[in-house]
Amino acid sequence: NAGVTQTPKFQVLKTGQSMTLQCAQDMNHEYMSWYRQDPGMGLRLIHYSVGAGITDQGEVPNGYNVSRSTTEDFPLRLLSAAPSQTSVYFCASSSRDRGSYEQYFGPGTRLTVT
Amino acid sequence: AQSVAQPEDQVNVAEGNPLTVKCTYSVSGNPYLFWYVQYPNRGLQFLLKYITGDNLVKGSYGFEAEFNKSQTSFHLKKPSALVSDSALYFCAVRDIGYGNNRLAFGKGNQVVVIP
Repeated sequence: NAGVTQTPKFQVLKTGQSMTLQCAQDMNHEYMSWYRQDPGMGLRLIHYSVGAGITDQGEVPNGYNVSRSTTEDFPLRLLSAAPSQTSVYFCASSSRDRGSYEQYFGPGTRLTVT
Repeated sequence: AQSVAQPEDQVNVAEGNPLTVKCTYSVSGNPYLFWYVQYPNRGLQFLLKYITGDNLVKGSYGFEAEFNKSQTSFHLKKPSALVSDSALYFCAVRDIGYGNNRLAFGKGNQVVVIP
């Protein structure tokens, strides 16, 4: 079991460029989410999905798009990168089984926008 | 909306001494509470959770947490801290909504265990 994997580990973009952060999980989890982590602010939810074909916005969705075509994959797209999107991005997944709820996190992608 | 607060930015403790990391919560209904730990340049690792049942919850690496409904608190504790416990600790609460496991996180507490 690889758990939750994220690529790339590091990325530097210029303002206005676009890119996709990849996330995959092999635990057959229904629920997946994207967070960004900024110093002193904890983790903030960007987008989440409760299953293939279903996505919804979190706390800070502006500037990001997601799609969920399979259970395993949940990519995050930055359409036109801005310096304010410099952050560490984490993908997480969890089961919808009653009594579970804990989320499993990937290792993160450190993004710098210049 | 559900929320948690971690009032301290940093907790310093000597190795071998008890460690406490504080968390208070604000929810409508019954809370589902979690603690996560983040080591440098790593993702978050699940430590423990409170869903229902005993107020004292035991988790990984010798950590435990006490749920206190009257004080709306869920403090993380370890009887004897190790230098390897130095990390960033997050408290989180599950959002309430059909079919989702949204979590709201606190801002995190840096724990420094001094040898």
